[in-house]
Amino acid sequence: DTAVSQTPKYLVTQMGNDKSIKCEQNLGHDTMYWYKQDSKKFLKIMFSYNNKELIINETVPNRFSPKSPDKAHLNLHINSLELGDSAVYFCASSQSPAGYNADTQYFGPGTRLTVL
Amino acid sequence: AQSVTQPDIHITVSEGASLELRCNYSYGATPYLFWYVQSPGQGLQLLLKYFSGDTLVQGIKGFEAEFKRSQSSFNLRKPSVHWSDAAEYFCAVGSNTGNQFYFGTGTSLTVIP
Repeated sequence: DTAVSQTPKYLVTQMGNDKSIKCEQNLGHDTMYWYKQDSKKFLKIMFSYNNKELIINETVPNRFSPKSPDKAHLNLHINSLELGDSAVYFCASSQSPAGYNADTQYFGPGTRLTVL
Repeated sequence: AQSVTQPDIHITVSEGASLELRCNYSYGATPYLFWYVQSPGQGLQLLLKYFSGDTLVQGIKGFEAEFKRSQSSFNLRKPSVHWSDAAEYFCAVGSNTGNQFYFGTGTSLTVIP
C-alpha cells in the first residue's frame, strides 16, 4: 500500500491553463504539506495543513490554492500557469506539524509539472 | 529567522571511503534537525533526526549525525559508503512551534567504484 500518493505523476500543459494535483495519505496523519523542488533541487515548503486548517503559508503567488477536503487529502490547484511554475511538486504528511514533535514527514513520489 | 546551510553542493567519494556531509543551522532556540535522502526520481526519505537527548544520533542505512550546539552544526557521517548511497541529501530544521520548516539546498553525493 502506498503511504502518500500523488496524481498525476507527470503533467505537461500550456501557459495560462489551470491544473490540479491531488494528494492522498493513508497513514492517518493530521498534517499534510506541499513542497516545490526547482531544477536546482532546491526544496521549498509552500503550504501545510493540520486537521484541515492552514498553518503554513509561505510566500507563494495567489495563483496557487491548496484545498483540504479532509485530513487524508490535500490538493493543489494552480491557476494561469506560468513557465516558472515548472518544477517537481511533492506532497508529504506527518502525524503532527513539521518540527512540532520532530515528527517524520513521509513524502509522495512527486509530480513533475512542465509548462510550455 | 531559521535557516539551513549545506556548504557542499556536490561531493564525490570512492566506495568504501568514509563520508561526512556538513549542515549548519541558524535558530534561536533548540532546533529539531533532520537529514533526508532523495534517490533519483524519488521522494524524500528520513535518515535520522535530533530533537533532544543524546547528541549523537543513529539512523538508517548505517548513517549517524552529531548535533553540536556550539558550532550550530548537524553533520551527517557514514564510515563506509556503498554505491547505493549515491543520492541527494537534505538537512532540515523545524521550529518547536510547528509552523516553520526549512530544507537546506542539498548535497549531491556521487560514489565512484
